[in-house]
Amino acid sequence: QVQLQESGPGLVKPSETLSLTCSVSGGLLSGYYWSCIRQAPGKGLEWIGYIHHTGATKYSPSLKSRVTMSVDTSNNQFSLKVTSVTAADTAVYYCARDFDPFEYWGQGTLVTVSS
Amino acid sequence: QSVLTQPPSVSGAPGQRVTISCTGSSSNIGAGYAVYWYRQSPGTAPKLLMYANNNRPSGVPDRFSGSKSGTSASLAITGLQADDEADYYCQSYDSSLSGSFVFGTGTKVTVL
Repeated sequence: QVQLQESGPGLVKPSETLSLTCSVSGGLLSGYYWSCIRQAPGKGLEWIGYIHHTGATKYSPSLKSRVTMSVDTSNNQFSLKVTSVTAADTAVYYCARDFDPFEYWGQGTLVTVSS
Repeated sequence: QSVLTQPPSVSGAPGQRVTISCTGSSSNIGAGYAVYWYRQSPGTAPKLLMYANNNRPSGVPDRFSGSKSGTSASLAITGLQADDEADYYCQSYDSSLSGSFVFGTGTKVTVL
């Protein structure tokens, strides 16, 4: 069964760039879409975007100007970058496979934005 | 700012039936987009509970059922059990702006 593992910096300073890597095991990136979703502390879920293994992307309109996703098929990983972060970007960031539904999820990693 | 609205909480005694509503609009559920449900226990990732409105993934007991009508959807849990306590989220696609996947506001299920 496919497994996803997020790795992130833990702490990012305001105005800097948040970088997150999702490693996929038990299956290949090829043939699937890969999504990023976040959850602010005590809040609901927010879809950030997805990337296909070909590199095609779609981002949430509310985050589009600050988000970039990329894929590294040789290492079976995909990545998320969020620029110009503020405290509002503090959240648990999840990686997931596919969309409609988000079928498999990673355990999530907490990223805190603070100076 | 979720576009799918759920009640903040529902509760019931063991063995009872509870329902969770998910209210959308003409640009998401009302437009015919499918509804999905996820269950999230504290400190863990969400897990798919229901797909395409009323289909259960393998391993999900038939105590859980989904429905959709108009601009709303519902998740029903019958024979409520203590380990059903969790947060539940609906999810769909919204075609407004340039399109986006949207989640509900979330519902905390408490077993009394």
